[in-house]
Amino acid sequence: DAKTTQPPSMDCAEGRAANLPCNHSTISGNEYVYWYRQIHSQGPQYIIHGLKNNETNEMASLIITEDRKSSTLILPHATLRDTAVYYCIVRPYNTDKLIFGTGTRLQVFP
Amino acid sequence: DAGVTQSPTHLIKTRGQHVTLRCSPISGHKSVSWYQQVLGQGPQFIFQYYEKEERGRGNFPDRFSARQFPNYSSELNVNALLLGDSALYLCASSLRSLAGVRGETQYFGPGTRLLVL
Repeated sequence: DAKTTQPPSMDCAEGRAANLPCNHSTISGNEYVYWYRQIHSQGPQYIIHGLKNNETNEMASLIITEDRKSSTLILPHATLRDTAVYYCIVRPYNTDKLIFGTGTRLQVFP
Repeated sequence: DAGVTQSPTHLIKTRGQHVTLRCSPISGHKSVSWYQQVLGQGPQFIFQYYEKEERGRGNFPDRFSARQFPNYSSELNVNALLLGDSALYLCASSLRSLAGVRGETQYFGPGTRLLVL
């Protein structure tokens, strides 16, 4: 299973863009990259996922490098409510299992 | 629309007891997965059920079992509870099994927090 590497923590000023990096250098061609976040021990909240192309939805943008070995989740205008642990996950194509790492703890400050 | 619901929200048990946790998926979702999250760690996959059949199992002892009902709700059972079973138990549902399917995703419930004394 492809592993992901994320920085343990990051800070971001409110109103600024938060850019959360993820390394997944062993990703296979048919494996998707998923991002979830978890706020204060609630259930993980789905944010976005992608395969090769960049993706955008109402919550965030996902930028995947051309070689697919890394990706960046972008929260365009971070708010205090975005303070959470963000998980980058690579899902094997033939399974439902999501393999969570320890994630990045994002602290948004006023 | 209601999301994934789980019951109970909190539970306290003693070592050696048995516990049953319940999950109702999002309406129309036929796949349910269970995860265990110990404090300070990311969730770990326990089971996945799709169309009432077990489709995946994580590295958990046989004390853990689950089943899915005709209405696609699910139960997670843990026997002979240990102190180390104290955790947040999460249920996630998806429209169908993600295996072999591009672009599907799982949606998580709020979890059941189990404390074993």
